[in-house]
Amino acid sequence: GAGVSQSPRYKVTKRGQDVALRCDPISGHVSLYWYRQALGQGPEFLTYFNYEAQQDKSGLPNDRFSAERPEGSISTLTIQRTEQRDSAMYRCASSLAWNTEAFFGQGTRLTVV
Amino acid sequence: DAKTTQPPSMDCAEGRAANLPCNHSTISGNEYVYWYRQIHSQGPQYIIHGLKNNETNEMASLIITEDRKSSTLILPHATLRDTAVYYCIVRSKLTFGTGTRLQVTL
Repeated sequence: GAGVSQSPRYKVTKRGQDVALRCDPISGHVSLYWYRQALGQGPEFLTYFNYEAQQDKSGLPNDRFSAERPEGSISTLTIQRTEQRDSAMYRCASSLAWNTEAFFGQGTRLTVV
Repeated sequence: DAKTTQPPSMDCAEGRAANLPCNHSTISGNEYVYWYRQIHSQGPQYIIHGLKNNETNEMASLIITEDRKSSTLILPHATLRDTAVYYCIVRSKLTFGTGTRLQVTL
């Protein structure tokens, strides 16, 4: 695709529900990154993949958060049993290789009520 | 990723050069220095990157010291549209710090 695509753009969910956020990277990009960004703060690293392998998940806040990229392309970030503190903008980025510039998607605004 | 240190905020008059410093004293030999910026609520935007040589593109110039422990991003003629938070990142897994909030004024 032309750019990194994230869906949905907005998600409102009730506390306790599970949510799945999707990231469709630029075609051919090897590396894929997930971030969480609270209002007025910088992007907080969550996890990243090279191809289908999750290279680092040290930024995932707790075991309610998980991510996968089973075929080395589309990735899904799943948050189980959502809590209000999970409300944030979730951003995805991809890069052609681990040391090249990364391009960001528009983000998914998650609101837990 | 190596840790980076940036001033929290800077001001620059429109039309003047904006020089944004970054310290990265723990950088290792194969780590690149990347600069991104984030305008308001948009996604971060790539600006420039380098390893040890100075780099220039249509957006900015990057000056890296010989020991690679610090760098400076230069916006040669800042405009109001350059008002943003600028992030210096020493690249392994692309971890953002707190950045520098640049305010360009008339």
